[in-house]
Amino acid sequence: GEDVEQSLFLSVREGDSSVINCTYTDSSSTYLYWYKQEPGAGLQLLTYIFSNMDMKQDQRLTVLLNKKDKHLSLRIADTQTGDSAIYFCAERWGSSASKIIFGSGTRLSIRP
Amino acid sequence: DGGITQSPKYLFRKEGQNVTLSCEQNLNHDAMYWYRQDPGQGLRLIYYSQIVNDFQKGDIAEGYSVSREKKESFPLTVTSAQKNPTAFYLCASHGAHEQYFGPGTRLTVT
Repeated sequence: GEDVEQSLFLSVREGDSSVINCTYTDSSSTYLYWYKQEPGAGLQLLTYIFSNMDMKQDQRLTVLLNKKDKHLSLRIADTQTGDSAIYFCAERWGSSASKIIFGSGTRLSIRP
Repeated sequence: DGGITQSPKYLFRKEGQNVTLSCEQNLNHDAMYWYRQDPGQGLRLIYYSQIVNDFQKGDIAEGYSVSREKKESFPLTVTSAQKNPTAFYLCASHGAHEQYFGPGTRLTVT
């Protein structure tokens, strides 16, 4: 079945690294995504990784993909108060562009 | 300035009334989507359209209807048949590999 799972909450001290984890189900997923949602707003695409890659780095963001375990993670280095948001993991299901499955989101809170 | 616009940002309706949510994009994307988001939950797909004059039901289409007469526009009607219409509605369009989202419309039905 289609399912993307994430833990619901993560609390991190300002300046530390945040690691948000996700597991997905479809081994044929071609793309995996991380989106950020601030309160009352739409989803903002942070980054995505193609399934033939193990890692992608973009400034403070590092995405790691373990295809064997169907595990995806997002690391945010030097976490700032502006990083407080809900982070959604998503997989492009199958080969069709028509369906992207989203996790329930991880709420990241930053403590001083 | 390309993007997706949704209007209005907040919408209030009485129970039993139909209401239409607007979604417009100027990204020249073929595929467009409507999602519903409830508190503490992920996104659930309502309808999607991969090309003008064609659309398919998503996972929770009951009580909703859509049209796709123009590439730029994909309005969603929440009908009186939808049992729990109060939610945050998000429209998206699909680029080469990823989906881009509008700012959302919060619908409250009392």
